[in-house]
Amino acid sequence: DAGVTQSPTHLIKTRGQHVTLRCSPISGHKSVSWYQQVLGQGPQFIFQYYEKEERGRGNFPDRFSARQFPNYSSELNVNALLLGDSALYLCASSLEAGLYNYGYTFGSGTRLTVV
Amino acid sequence: GQNIDQPTEMTATEGAIVQINCTYQTSGFNGLFWYQQHAGEAPTFLSYNVLDGLEEKGRFSSFLSRSKGYSYLLLKELQMKDSASYLCAVRAFNDYKLSFGAGTTVTVRA
Repeated sequence: DAGVTQSPTHLIKTRGQHVTLRCSPISGHKSVSWYQQVLGQGPQFIFQYYEKEERGRGNFPDRFSARQFPNYSSELNVNALLLGDSALYLCASSLEAGLYNYGYTFGSGTRLTVV
Repeated sequence: GQNIDQPTEMTATEGAIVQINCTYQTSGFNGLFWYQQHAGEAPTFLSYNVLDGLEEKGRFSSFLSRSKGYSYLLLKELQMKDSASYLCAVRAFNDYKLSFGAGTTVTVRA
């Protein structure tokens, strides 16, 4: 069975540019969460989507946006890139978004470098 | 928000035991998770504790004390492949996100 797939795996962008990262959850999973992991730190929550609706948003500027499609895949968009946006972006999928759910599965991430 | 603390680095010998501590402060607790992350790879789920006590899963065990805001991950019979970062994460009640600590890098030496 395919796990959580993210694309691209690596990306280099210039300051001020825009980037779109993509995530396909495990088949049957309806919830997708996005996390940013800066080198040497733990992942920081950005967004969670369930059934195409935003269920949670972390402490990130409005330059960050996301959406979920009818097939439950998701995109994370970042506008006006800054050097500080350089990080590993992780997608986590889960069957549902319920408060008692603990079945989060992470993808391998997209390594974004902003120069 | 949550404040999660864990040691930055630990080193141990192959075959030994290592205990990684995690302390947390949260407004309403709804579960603590441990993940393993090898360099450049996805975090992989190790354990989940929501009630006090010890959860054992093969060579790995995780303990939780909610009153003390404390957990530990115990790695037994260490193998070289256990060299990785170990992430402690907490979920608060009425919240969907996981709040992670900075991770503990464990190095296993021969």
